[in-house]
Amino acid sequence: NAGVTQTPKFQVLKTGQSMTLQCAQDMNHNSMYWYRQDPGMGLRLIYYSASEGTTDKGEVPNGYNVSRLNKREFSLRLESAAPSQTSVYFCASKPMRSGEQYFGPGTRLTVT
Amino acid sequence: QQQVKQSPQSLIVQKGGISIINCAYENTAFDYFPWYQQFPGKGPALLIAIRPDVSEKKEGRFTISFNKSAKQFSLHIMDSQPGDSATYFCAASSLIQGAQKLVFGQGTRLTINP
Repeated sequence: NAGVTQTPKFQVLKTGQSMTLQCAQDMNHNSMYWYRQDPGMGLRLIYYSASEGTTDKGEVPNGYNVSRLNKREFSLRLESAAPSQTSVYFCASKPMRSGEQYFGPGTRLTVT
Repeated sequence: QQQVKQSPQSLIVQKGGISIINCAYENTAFDYFPWYQQFPGKGPALLIAIRPDVSEKKEGRFTISFNKSAKQFSLHIMDSQPGDSATYFCAASSLIQGAQKLVFGQGTRLTINP
C-alpha cells in the first residue's frame, strides 16, 4: 500500500495563477480531508469529503474548491492564487470505523 | 477563534526526562482527542488518542491525561529519547455525517537533548 499520495511535492506560483493539488489513497477509506499548515497555526481544515460524491467546507475554505473524483481521489483547486495561500498542504483520509486520519507527505506551495 | 489551545510552543528536555505538553479546548461537543507527531518534511501521524469517558490512556512511554471538567488534556512522554524530537499537535473532533472535523492546537516543537 502506498497510503496517501500527493502531487506535486513542491510548487511555485505567481499571484493570479491557478493550479490543482492532487491526492489519492489506496486504503479504501470513505472520508478525505484537505488541511493547510502554517507556522504557529497548527493545521486547519480547508474542505472535507465524508464519502464519494459529497464535499463540505471546513474552517478556511475561501479561495479553494475541491472535487471528490471517486472514492480514491480528492483534489484541491486554487483558482486565482494569492500570497496568503503560501503554505504546506496536507491531504488525509480516514476509515469509517476508526478515529485515525492518515496523512500524505504534503505539498509545499509558494505564491509570489 | 482558536478552539484548541496548546502550550508550550517549544520544549527542551534532557534524555531520560519527562516531556509534558498541555492542551485546552472550548467545545463540549468534542468527543475524540488525538495527539499527532510530525517529523520535518513528513505528514503528521497519529501517536495516541483518548475519548472523554476515560481519564487516562497509556501506550508504552506515552500517556494522555484527560480532565473533562476542566476541558484540558495533556501528553506525557516518559523516558524521553532523542528520537522523540518532533513537533506534536493535540487535536479535538466530533463526527459530523460520517466525517471527522479535527481542530488542531498550534503545535509544540520538542527537542530531546542527548
